[in-house]
Amino acid sequence: DTGVSQNPRHKITKRGQNVTFRCDPISEHNRLYWYRQTLGQGPEFLTYFQNEAQLEKSRLLSDRFSAERPKGSFSTLEIQRTEQGDSAMYLCASSLIIQRGNTIYFGEGSWLTVV
Amino acid sequence: DQQVKQNSPSLSVQEGRISILNCDYTNSMFDYFLWYKKYPAEGPTFLISISSIKDKNEDGRFTVFLNKSAKHLSLHIVPSQPGDSAVYFCAARTEGNKLTFGTGTQLKVEL
Repeated sequence: DTGVSQNPRHKITKRGQNVTFRCDPISEHNRLYWYRQTLGQGPEFLTYFQNEAQLEKSRLLSDRFSAERPKGSFSTLEIQRTEQGDSAMYLCASSLIIQRGNTIYFGEGSWLTVV
Repeated sequence: DQQVKQNSPSLSVQEGRISILNCDYTNSMFDYFLWYKKYPAEGPTFLISISSIKDKNEDGRFTVFLNKSAKHLSLHIVPSQPGDSAVYFCAARTEGNKLTFGTGTQLKVEL
């Protein structure tokens, strides 16, 4: 399978705990994105990387959220001191940026439930 | 403010008929529009896209139409099949390949 891979697929955590999600993009893709989706809404942009550089962060990404892509390959999204409002599906996506119009491919998502 | 709107939360169509899903946008800076299909507990799957300089793109049973003056696009699926039942998201692209999504339309194709 050469698609975008995310793990864990499901995570239940107690409020106040830290959680980390991992994303492995499609191997030749140099752009990697994180989105968040809550019930009844479309995915919302959080942040994106071009290679290892984090180029943009949404205002949705509070100080408790941090994303890294240390070697320009896989990425991690950490949420510190989780709150119930963080419960959502966290989606990773990747694309090539050789030309305009390149498709963004999404992973299966990581469900977070904060209890 | 919601820059991409899908005003119909649900649509029910009979198998074999045409499904038309609609999407409106407000930002003139969007340069590409995409449709994604999503099943529960899965990530969105890319279906079809269209550049802002085109007015139609077709791929098999799927056709996307863009009316730039009205800031409106639509996805036509014909003939509709039961396996098409899913949530369909319209997305618009800005600089950095960043996507802004609508809230989705739940399509149900009935036998």
